[in-house]
Amino acid sequence: DAGITQSPRYKITETGRQVTLMCHQTWSHSYMFWYRQDLGHGLRLIYYSAAADITDKGEVPDGYVVSRSKTENFPLTLESATRSQTSVYFCASRKQANTEAFFGQGTRLTVV
Amino acid sequence: DAKTTQPPSMDCAEGRAANLPCNHSTISGNEYVYWYRQIHSQGPQYIIHGLKNNETNEMASLIITEDRKSSTLILPHATLRDTAVYYCIVRVPSGGNEKLTFGTGTRLTIIP
Repeated sequence: DAGITQSPRYKITETGRQVTLMCHQTWSHSYMFWYRQDLGHGLRLIYYSAAADITDKGEVPDGYVVSRSKTENFPLTLESATRSQTSVYFCASRKQANTEAFFGQGTRLTVV
Repeated sequence: DAKTTQPPSMDCAEGRAANLPCNHSTISGNEYVYWYRQIHSQGPQYIIHGLKNNETNEMASLIITEDRKSSTLILPHATLRDTAVYYCIVRVPSGGNEKLTFGTGTRLTIIP
């Protein structure tokens, strides 16, 4: 079924490990986004991408790396996970600048 | 993007109209008002957006004041499934910075 999917849905990792969260959309949307959601902070933008090979920092990019080699994929990597990166991560995509964004179902990441 | 102010929580009786306010007193002339909602444990869902005219779709109505410094989202006949956190966002839909910036939103509870 077409849409935006995130994997894994749940992940537990240890401090210092590298972990990659995957995001895949089947609409060929130009724009893709990564957010994290923590109690009391709402949704905060980590990174976004306006097109393949174009990425830019959001509000809280430190400790994260992204890439966009293909339009449909936008993986988010935590190079050395810390406990403060325990959060729910949402990926989103948008077709054009003035259209609505569609969100994935989220990945709950726990760093122990 | 202009900042928005929303009440942290509201209650509404089932079957009644839910009116969710949003202040965006520093909105620029080319910024749109967007509304999203997030039902527990799911990704945010787009509801509606507008520039200066009132808008209506199958989900809700958006009323924007003439000076555009505030708006109200109206759910005409609230159901229990409308219980969610509602986010009001203002942004320019085109330009170099295409991010959505979420605040902490309004937690709407529909009372049976």
